[in-house]
Formats: sequence, C-alpha cells, structure tokens
Amino acid sequence: GQNIDQPTEMTATEGAIVQINCTYQTSGFNGLFWYQQHAGEAPTFLSYNVLDGLEEKGRFSSFLSRSKGYSYLLLKELQMKDSASYLCAVRDSNYQLIWGAGTKLIIKP
Amino acid sequence: ETGVTQTPRHLVMGMTNKKSLKCEQHLGHNAMYWYKQSAKKPLELMFVYSLEERVENNSVPSRFSPECPNSSHLFLHLHTLQPEDSALYLCASSQLASGTGAETQYFGPGTRLLVL
Repeated sequence: GQNIDQPTEMTATEGAIVQINCTYQTSGFNGLFWYQQHAGEAPTFLSYNVLDGLEEKGRFSSFLSRSKGYSYLLLKELQMKDSASYLCAVRDSNYQLIWGAGTKLIIKP
Repeated sequence: ETGVTQTPRHLVMGMTNKKSLKCEQHLGHNAMYWYKQSAKKPLELMFVYSLEERVENNSVPSRFSPECPNSSHLFLHLHTLQPEDSALYLCASSQLASGTGAETQYFGPGTRLLVL
C-alpha cells in the first residue's frame, strides 16, 4: 500500500529552527508538496520538490531525497504565526496525490 | 485572499436532512476536487472533476452526490448522512497540465459539517 509518515505533533520556540520530516512509500513518484494549514482555514501551498536537493523560499526550505523516500520542511526564525499543521503529499505514478496526516507545530514564546 | 470559496462554512444537519455544499473557483482552473478531512487523518479524496467530467470516485458512499455544472462551480449534495460523516469538507481546484506532475491544488476554507 501507499503510505506517508510524518510526526503527529512538534513543539518549538519562537526564533528557533524546526525540521519536519516526511517519509513516503508510493507507487511511483511525480513530486512532493508541502502545505500549511492554520486551524479552521484552507491548506495553502508552501513548496514543491521533484528533484533531489534543497529548495529555499524565504524562511522556509524543503529538501528531497528520492532514493531514501524522504523529505523535510525546514522553518527558520520561527514566529508565533507559524503555529499550524504542515501537510506532506506525494504525487504517485497515476498522478494522484497521497497525503500524510499532517504535523501540528506548536510555537512557544 | 483565496481564489476558492465555499459555502456554507458551518453546517449542522440531522440524518434525514438533505443539504448541499457549494464551491466556486475564480482561478480559471480546469479541475476541481472534493476532499474529506477528519481529525488526525490524511486528506481523503472523494471526487475529481476534470473539464467538468468526473474522473475519480474513490468508492464514496452514494449518500454523497457531486455535481459540476461548469468549470467554476462544484457542488456536493448530501442526504441521509451518518454521524461518522461529520468532518471538514474541502474543495480544491488546479490547472491540469500535460502530465508534468507539478499542478498545485488550491483549497477553499472548507465546510465544517456536523451530523446529529
């Protein structure tokens, strides 16, 4: 079966750095997405990786290793507004999105 | 400001009621999706419409009935639901390209449904 694993919950301190991991086992690979979802709001697109390596976008970076079936989202200079759930999703060989259950990130002052 | 809107934002219904959820996208996309989001579970894809034709069903119970009258509007008709159907129902849209895999889905804020 197809599976996306990410930690259920993480806690970090304002101003610090946090890394949210995502591992996947899917039938084929056509890209990996990260979304942010604040409580009661729509998931919003953060990043897309299809090749190995690091993609940097401001305070957020996303890394992919296709050989390891692994990605992480790195958040720097954490702010209180970064408290949210972070969803990892992989597009499989049928171009269907397989979603993880999300990681709830709690930022403490 | 999201380009995908959903109404209503909250809905409480009895098991014998009939209601409809509405989604509208203002992004000029050619595909629309219905997802179910339950607490601590992955997003569950329910229906996909591409160019107004349904292309994915994912074995959703018949008490959920989708309708896509045009590329900008998507409905989910609900009837005789069960309490376990209580969840957040999300609509999304995307512009399907020719198999690039890079199509990003844009989500609406969802309808929080409670079935009593």
